[in-house]
Amino acid sequence: ILNVEQSPQSLHVQEGDSTNFTCSFPSSNFYALHWYRWETAKSPEALFVMTLNGDEKKKGRISATLNTKEGYSYLYIKGSQPEDSATYLCALGRRGTALIFGKGTTLSVSS
Amino acid sequence: DTAVSQTPKYLVTQMGNDKSIKCEQNLGHDTMYWYKQDSKKFLKIMFSYNNKELIINETVPNRFSPKSPDKAHLNLHINSLELGDSAVYFCASSVRGARTGELFFGEGSRLTVL
Repeated sequence: ILNVEQSPQSLHVQEGDSTNFTCSFPSSNFYALHWYRWETAKSPEALFVMTLNGDEKKKGRISATLNTKEGYSYLYIKGSQPEDSATYLCALGRRGTALIFGKGTTLSVSS
Repeated sequence: DTAVSQTPKYLVTQMGNDKSIKCEQNLGHDTMYWYKQDSKKFLKIMFSYNNKELIINETVPNRFSPKSPDKAHLNLHINSLELGDSAVYFCASSVRGARTGELFFGEGSRLTVL
């Protein structure tokens, strides 16, 4: 069974705090690692897709890193804002299969 | 224009009925998917089609039958609905073969079986 693990399951921070989440995955047959942002009552939206070991991607206050050799990716949010409240999903792409999603980290940011 | 659209958004039906959910994408993508969101919000792949051809069929009961009349449409038909089929079903599309391959999701169709 192929497992994509995310931690923590949920997180509550204050506005202005910086935070990070972890996505762990089996490193064999790696193809791509995706991060999605999923707001309540909406559909998931892609944040980053990373394919190379050592990749780092940034979009505004959100950034992500990738280590394919040890099988993990980190998502960082700098200076969290209430609008960052959402569930953050990572998904593993392997050749010949559809994306396999983790269960997500639910972030709640209080003002 | 909505990139990936699903209809209906909400569907309430009785056990034993047959129902369909339709999905259309106007992004010109080659590949379309159906994902099921379970009670714990976990997204699980059900089917994937590339250019009308079934390429992924996970362990899904035979009562679920996808149909792709063309590469812009992927419909999901469910026979003999059961209580456990209650879930949110998400359609998605992507450019197959592109290394990025990010998924574009529809807004989901919430199916409630009574």
